[in-house]
This record gives sequence, structure tokens and C-alpha cells, in this order.
Amino acid sequence: NAGVMQNPRHLVRRRGQEARLRCSPMKGHSHVYWYRQLPEEGLKFMVYLQKENIIDESGMPKERFSAEFPKEGPSILRIQQVVRGDSAAYFCASSPPGLGRDTQYFGPGTRLTVL
Amino acid sequence: ILNVEQSPQSLHVQEGDSTNFTCSFPSSNFYALHWYRWETAKSPEALFVMTLNGDEKKKGRISATLNTKEGYSYLYIKGSQPEDSATYLCAFPSNDYKLSFGAGTTVTVRA
Repeated sequence: NAGVMQNPRHLVRRRGQEARLRCSPMKGHSHVYWYRQLPEEGLKFMVYLQKENIIDESGMPKERFSAEFPKEGPSILRIQQVVRGDSAAYFCASSPPGLGRDTQYFGPGTRLTVL
Repeated sequence: ILNVEQSPQSLHVQEGDSTNFTCSFPSSNFYALHWYRWETAKSPEALFVMTLNGDEKKKGRISATLNTKEGYSYLYIKGSQPEDSATYLCAFPSNDYKLSFGAGTTVTVRA
């Protein structure tokens, strides 16, 4: 059973460009979470999605950031018009349906660098 | 935002020695406590999900205890080996799913 997959692993963008980060959850997992690690900081919750639904996006910046988890295909975290402050490691996790007692399984992350 | 604190921030251990470190979390509205092990350039690896006061879980030489009344958990590494070098994170879900992570304890095991 493959783990959580994220791609690309490293992404370089210039200011003003768009960044698209992809996450394929573990097989059988219908819940996806995105976390961000800014330099010198810990992991911070961004958004929680189930198939075709955003459940909680309270940790996501209000502008330029969006996330989706379509019926088919990976979850996408999209950052429009990137700025240098968006440089961070973005981690995706997935879990089976259930309560917070269930383990969230993390992917290897995408390291975004904005020049 | 929940205050999840880990101490110490880092520690160095001689190979073969045992060590432990702490995670403290809000003691009200407890759901669970998660421990992860995170090696550089890899995915955070789930170690334990602890749910009951007095819980003790073990995985090889690593074990953890939980005190929900006073809001802390200890992680123990017995007979540390170089491969135990990693950052150990604890995370507290503020509701069903939103994990608040501590800053981690970085363990370096010296051969």
C-alpha cells in the first residue's frame, strides 16, 4: 500500500507566478489535510477536505490560496501570484473516515521556493 | 490556536543511553495525543495515538505515557541508537481533525 504521495517535491517559482501542489492520499483514505511549515516554525494546519468538499479552511490565508479534492484525482493546493513569504514546506496528510483519534499519514512534502 | 509545548528543544544522547522528553497540552476537551517521528527530508512517521489517561504505548525501544488530567505526555527511548536521531513531534487535535503541533524535540544520538 503506497503511502501519501506529493509532487513535485521541490518547486521554484518567481514572484507573481502560480504554484500547484498535488497530493494523492493513501488508498482507501477519503480525508486530506494540508499543513504548512514556514522557515523556523512548526507545522500549521491549513485546510481539511473530503472528496468534493472543503470541511475547514480556517488555517488558509484568505487570498491567493485555494484547495480542492475532486471526485477523481489528487488534491490540489493552489497558490496564485506567489510572494516570497509563501516559501515554505507544504505537507499533505490523509486519514480514513473517522475521528481525530485516527492517525494522519503524512507525505514527504513539497518545498516551495519563491524567487 | 492551542498551545502545545515540547521540551527540551533538542538533546544529545550517547549511544546506548536512555532518554525521555515531554509534550504538554491543554488538559480540557481532550481528544487524543499523537506522536510522530520526523527524519530530515522524509515524511513525519506516525508513532502513537494515545487516547486514554494512563495510556502507555510501546513500539520497539520507544514508549510513551499519557496524563490527560495534568496535560502531559512523555516519550522514552531506551538504549538509544544512531537511527533514533530525528525530531519527535507531538500533536493535539483541537477537534476531530485539526492537529496543533509542538515545535518538536530534536534528538541526536552520538555513536
